[in-house]
Amino acid sequence: SQQGEEDPQALSIQEGENATMNCSYKTSINNLQWYRQNSGRGLVHLILIRSNEREKHSGRLRVTLDTSKKSSSLLITASRAADTASYFCATDRTGRRALTFGSGTRLQVQP
Amino acid sequence: GAGVSQSPRYKVAKRGQDVALRCDPISGHVSLFWYQQALGQGPEFLTYFQNEAQLDKSGLPSDRFFAERPEGSVSTLKIQRTQQEDSAVYLCASSQSGGTGGLEAFFGQGTRLTVV
Repeated sequence: SQQGEEDPQALSIQEGENATMNCSYKTSINNLQWYRQNSGRGLVHLILIRSNEREKHSGRLRVTLDTSKKSSSLLITASRAADTASYFCATDRTGRRALTFGSGTRLQVQP
Repeated sequence: GAGVSQSPRYKVAKRGQDVALRCDPISGHVSLFWYQQALGQGPEFLTYFQNEAQLDKSGLPSDRFFAERPEGSVSTLKIQRTQQEDSAVYLCASSQSGGTGGLEAFFGQGTRLTVV
């Protein structure tokens, strides 16, 4: 079963706007990662945040982590049509080597 | 290789047929994972190898699913007597060290299996 849920399930915005996606998870984690998946393709790693970090930036991406609420958010600033994809959060925890994925947010950026 | 390679990209199987899906991980990557992704859902873990050892197969949905990685490189996921509910995209991922703790996983493009 999925580790948690992403919110919203789908998001449609205009090019240039910011997109915010949220992820909630159920168990204690070591790290949380965000992946992107273009239609019909594999997943591409975007960013990793460790459980002792609260915020991390990479280019136009900003990730926050609140372990007390078991939640994370991914902000994409100044979105582009090429950002259209599904975005998944994934967690790993002690004793389990594999990633556990959320259900994903489908982002559509209108040109 | 430059990335994780999976073959075939698409497979149509008649119900009851056996299928074999191949994964070529990135050269030198110790860990290899198989995931199953249903339409509109996130990937679900199937099994994990560290080198040739299958350390976790807790996600395999039934004994019809079998995976191997005999020489610690290429892996094969075999599904026997396929059922319609097996229709999904099967993703393979590899990472440099043991597990994915703190490390990114590199994914192949997947094999889309359709059972008719």
